[in-house]
Amino acid sequence: AQTVTQSQPEMSVQEAETVTLSCTYDTSESDYYLFWYKQPPSRQMILVIRQEAYKQQNATENRFSVNFQKAAKSFSLKISDSQLGDAAMYFCAYRSAVSGGSNYKLTFGKGTLLTVNP
Amino acid sequence: DTGVSQNPRHKITKRGQNVTFRCDPISEHNRLYWYRQTLGQGPEFLTYFQNEAQLEKSRLLSDRFSAERPKGSFSTLEIQRTEQGDSAMYLCASSPQFLLNEKLFFGSGTQLSVL
Repeated sequence: AQTVTQSQPEMSVQEAETVTLSCTYDTSESDYYLFWYKQPPSRQMILVIRQEAYKQQNATENRFSVNFQKAAKSFSLKISDSQLGDAAMYFCAYRSAVSGGSNYKLTFGKGTLLTVNP
Repeated sequence: DTGVSQNPRHKITKRGQNVTFRCDPISEHNRLYWYRQTLGQGPEFLTYFQNEAQLEKSRLLSDRFSAERPKGSFSTLEIQRTEQGDSAMYLCASSPQFLLNEKLFFGSGTQLSVL
């Protein structure tokens, strides 16, 4: 079974600064997808960014980028120019791409609570 | 796009009672998922529907849990004979088509407290 580990329960950053959230995962599969979801106090999970394991190029979405290290099974999220609205719980998630397997579900980490200080 | 709607937002019940939650996905989204999130944990997969067909169920979904999606539109999740361990937030998500890198659209969840 796949597992996702987020070793930082809480992180804080100053507004306009950069912060990196860590995520590692354990899998024996070679084909999969990785995601970062954000859960603000409203509780509604929102997709921040996604990465296909077969792509070597790191995904970027505006101020959000990832550092995907497949061999190390690491998938960190970098938030640049942090804004007050970035304050939320951030979850890293894994999805298998193996056909016939449990590729319907996302496996989430425990989350990192990000605080943005003005 | 009105988003994924979940009702009720909060539910308090006594142990042993039955509860039912409702999820209205985004119109024309034929994929629907239920997840459960307990305090300090990430969401855990419960079940998945493609239209009205329930294609996968987690072992977390005991015999006391049942989910339906009649006519492939809204979905209900029922918990019978609730236990204190059922206290959690129940999240619903939908997507327009099955892609492994699909973006899931989540609702705001139903927070269940079993006393």
